[in-house]
Parts: sequence; structure tokens; C-alpha cells
Amino acid sequence: AQKVTQAQTEISVVEKEDVTLDCVYETRDTTYYLFWYKQPPSGELVFLIRRNSFDEQNEISGRYSWNFQKSTSSFNFTITASQVVDSAVYFCALSATSGTYKYIFGTGTRLKVLA
Amino acid sequence: ETGVTQTPRHLVMGMTNKKSLKCEQHLGHNAMYWYKQSAKKPLELMFVYSLEERVENNSVPSRFSPECPNSSHLFLHLHTLQPEDSALYLCASSQERNGYGYTFGSGTRLTVV
Repeated sequence: AQKVTQAQTEISVVEKEDVTLDCVYETRDTTYYLFWYKQPPSGELVFLIRRNSFDEQNEISGRYSWNFQKSTSSFNFTITASQVVDSAVYFCALSATSGTYKYIFGTGTRLKVLA
Repeated sequence: ETGVTQTPRHLVMGMTNKKSLKCEQHLGHNAMYWYKQSAKKPLELMFVYSLEERVENNSVPSRFSPECPNSSHLFLHLHTLQPEDSALYLCASSQERNGYGYTFGSGTRLTVV
């Protein structure tokens, strides 16, 4: 079975704090992809990052960083020095190569950054 | 501009109405998707089209009818909906299956009264 768990339903932080959004996944496939999307109030999901299962290097993009650990089946997302504009719902997703077009999305984490 | 355009952005319809949601992409993608996003529920994949052929239908009620006339356009025809069908309907496209990120539209907020 494939599954994505985002245990944090909602997180509130004060601006400039660092925050980590957790994502734990399950899959039996050896080749798979992991994604993070941001959904601002306007509604569309914005692609943030894609990671394949063979690349465990952590990635940093500006204030965003991602920590992929196959040993714990986790793909966590950290925002450094959070800003009010980071307020959104963040989704983690898994796409395995078992012959389907499906993404398995987590239930999302709502991040509120307070000024 | 996300690259995927959905119209209308908001729609209120009665249970006996017939309406259509439209999705358009000019990114050269060859797969298009309809997702339903209800409050406090995971994103639900409804339909997948690859090269204009429907490749997946996730047990969606027949009151939802998709149409993909070409690789750039995707429709979702609605008829005799129920109040529980009220949700955000998101369209997405991708270049290939699985390994490539989706580009999502802004969604249509549907309210069934």
C-alpha cells in the first residue's frame, strides 16, 4: 500500500521563526518520487520540489530546505526565517512507478505565520 | 499565471442544473487530471487523461462526466449534483506520468445548493 502521512494538521509560528513540516511515506516500490506543493489562499497548488528515491541529498532553495531520509521514510520541509507570505497549506505527495498516474497526497499542513 | 487556466473560478448551481468546468493548458503537457478537494479530506483524484484517452476513473459518480477533446483542453460536465459535491475542483497537467511535477490550475470553487 502507498500512503503519505502529514501528522501536523496546523502549525502557527511567529514571523522569522524556523518551522519544519513533516512528511512520512509508505511504498513498496524502489523507484518513486516525492513532492512538496504549496496551496496559498488563491487555491492553486504550486510545485515546490521533486525528489527521486535514488537521490538522498538534501536540497536548499533560498529559505526552503528539504531533508530526505529513506531510512525513516521521511521527506521533511523546513522554512527558515518564516514570513507571512509563507502562510498556506503545504502538501507532500508520493508518486511511485508501479504503472499508475496517481499521486498520493498527504492531508496537508496548514501553516500560519503571524506578524 | 500558472500555465493551467480554469474557468469559472466560482460556480453556484442548483441540484437540477447542468454546468461544465473548463481547464486549459498550453504547456505542451500530455496528461491532464481532475482532482476534488473537500474540506478536511485528502485530495481525491477523479479522472486522468493521457494523450486524450481516459486512463483512470476513480469510481466517480456518473453525475460527473469528463471530456478531453484535445491535449490542451479538459472539461468536467456536471448534472444533478448533490450538496456533498460542493468542493474545490482542481485541474492539473503534466508532461509525463509519475515522475514529473504537476502544474495545477487555481481551481473552481463549486457550491451546490
